[in-house]
Amino acid sequence: ETGVTQTPRHLVMGMTNKKSLKCEQHLGHNAMYWYKQSAKKPLELMFVYNFKEQTENNSVPSRFSPECPNSSHLFLHLHTLQPEDSALYLCASSQYGQGAAFFGQGTRLTVV
Amino acid sequence: DQQVKQNSPSLSVQEGRISILNCDYTNSMFDYFLWYKKYPAEGPTFLISISSIKDKNEDGRFTVFLNKSAKHLSLHIVPSQPGDSAVYFCAALTGNQFYFGTGTSLTVIP
Repeated sequence: ETGVTQTPRHLVMGMTNKKSLKCEQHLGHNAMYWYKQSAKKPLELMFVYNFKEQTENNSVPSRFSPECPNSSHLFLHLHTLQPEDSALYLCASSQYGQGAAFFGQGTRLTVV
Repeated sequence: DQQVKQNSPSLSVQEGRISILNCDYTNSMFDYFLWYKKYPAEGPTFLISISSIKDKNEDGRFTVFLNKSAKHLSLHIVPSQPGDSAVYFCAALTGNQFYFGTGTSLTVIP
């Protein structure tokens, strides 16, 4: 069982669809993150949760809605996305203020 | 504002030689530095890290050097192997915020 698991690995959705990305961490960490990686761009931090509380929202459009029901699970709810939102979405977890962030395998999202 | 920069987008090295990947940062508040390796369509994998109170950390073939006065970080891989071919990201941590560089694509030529 890997430390950080993301599902689904691939997702194709239309601009009017609603879908959710799921992330689960088995490392006992208390911080979780959503990152976006577009082609030829650096990793972009989207959201940060510490102890289930959202602490960062880096000017992310409201069509992306995060949810953190407990310290082990993180969701990213998607609705009315645009084609330019197509990217690799990465979840990560860490122990707050200590050490490395560990990443999941990512969800490759394509908006058509 | 890019606080962590990797100015070389790509690097090619012969198998068996040393690979040196470089990273510069601007924020003196960073207290922890990390290197990640990434294959296409996968999440980054943590490689090695160094605390700001140290100047060197070694793990097998991988060594990270930190020069705080120059705000410079480097990763040495020796000897380089074809399986090391990937994109390498440096990252810096302050509080719980990770800042990533844009990555350097390393190709190790057999």
